[in-house]
Amino acid sequence: DIQMTQSPASLSASLGETVTIQCRASEDIYSGLAWYQQKPGKSPQLLIYGASSLQDGVPSRFSGSGSGTQYSLKISSMQTEDEGVYFCQQGLKYPLTFGSGTKLEIK
Amino acid sequence: EVQLQQSGAELVRPGTSVKLSCKVSGDTITAYYMHFVKQRPGQGLEWIGRIDPEDDSTKYAEKFKNKATLTADTSSNTAYLKLSSLTSEDTATYFCTTAGYYDGYPFAYWGQGTLVTVSS
Repeated sequence: DIQMTQSPASLSASLGETVTIQCRASEDIYSGLAWYQQKPGKSPQLLIYGASSLQDGVPSRFSGSGSGTQYSLKISSMQTEDEGVYFCQQGLKYPLTFGSGTKLEIK
Repeated sequence: EVQLQQSGAELVRPGTSVKLSCKVSGDTITAYYMHFVKQRPGQGLEWIGRIDPEDDSTKYAEKFKNKATLTADTSSNTAYLKLSSLTSEDTATYFCTTAGYYDGYPFAYWGQGTLVTVSS
């Protein structure tokens, strides 16, 4: 199985600050990576797919990058509504696997 | 746009089984690969498996092969997840989700989740 290692496990950011979350795959996943945001008591929401493609309706302050085994999610200007838990997911091979999550809070 | 509506919360006894439903509206279920994901309280996301309602073919994560069974009923546009031999480790919220017309990812559509509590 492809292991997804996400970091950091948690972070706090000030309003307007740039935030970066990392995700490393145990093997090359050829940009088959998605990012999700989950708020308490809600279902996850797709933010990014194909490592860098922005899902319809997602604010442009979210961006994804990376290749091979290393990927990142960037929030260019932290907003209060960006609080939540972020997960990466590889879609290259079954079984589909997720990172352990990054909890993002406002400082 | 496709919408996924899941069945309500369940309180079940250890050792029993439970069957959760996920009804698709806005399109025919045979157009979608239906996946289920487990989330224990305060924990991450685990992919359980997926079914293709077109031919009932399934894929499972190894750890769920003896725990979960996925089925689909095209007449009611509904996918099902049956969990057997329940233990406290099965207490979790279970989400149905789909990537739309694509097998695998990304999961653009999600149900609201069904909380299963296993307790005597």
